[in-house]
Amino acid sequence: EVQLVESGGGLVQPGGSLRLSCAASGFTVSSNYMSWVRQAPGKGLEWVSVIYSGGSTYYADSVKGRFTISRDNSKNTLYLQMNSLRAEDTAVYYCARGPPNTAMVTLDYWGQGTLVTVSS
Amino acid sequence: QSVLTQPPSVSAAPGQKVTISCSGSSSNIGNNYVSWYQQLPGTAPKLLIYENNKRPSGIPDRFSGSKSGTSATLGITGLQTGDEADYYCGTWDSSLSAGRGVFGGGTKLTVL
Repeated sequence: EVQLVESGGGLVQPGGSLRLSCAASGFTVSSNYMSWVRQAPGKGLEWVSVIYSGGSTYYADSVKGRFTISRDNSKNTLYLQMNSLRAEDTAVYYCARGPPNTAMVTLDYWGQGTLVTVSS
Repeated sequence: QSVLTQPPSVSAAPGQKVTISCSGSSSNIGNNYVSWYQQLPGTAPKLLIYENNKRPSGIPDRFSGSKSGTSATLGITGLQTGDEADYYCGTWDSSLSAGRGVFGGGTKLTVL
């Protein structure tokens, strides 16, 4: 059974850092493309980043230069390193799987989400 | 302001049909596949349609997708109260030097 479990969210001050983790089971992270999608309170979905099976990465303009997506194949885990956090980064962060041989943005499994709150 | 434009809300009676539009441009919908997601209150999004008109296993054929030019449409027939949710379209946008994923602003479906 495919499962994605995010962790690492919490309260952080503006300018601070946080690393989100997404532990995968039932499939191999490195064989799929993996994305982070966020949702601010009461707002719509916002695509954040993707890492392809080959290792290529892409970012939304709003997080470029501040966030870094990565994976640890030995732990079958996806990460999102978030630096220089701003109030507008406050959101529930979801990790999601893109199945092999499908177009972006096909995300067939999602985690339950982890809340990041940026506030002083 | 979302790159993809969806109506904020739609409504219809149980048993009826509804369509939700998603408008974009040549840099996104016009040259890339579209997917659709359903988000029930307090839950993670769920994939309904991918690559314009394909349904993942387990998604009933009441849900359909289509694309024409720079617009896409989600159709839902035989509306049920359980279909009340937010619906989002998504695709890839290649207008910048590095591409990016984009979503519509979401459409709230009310089943009257």
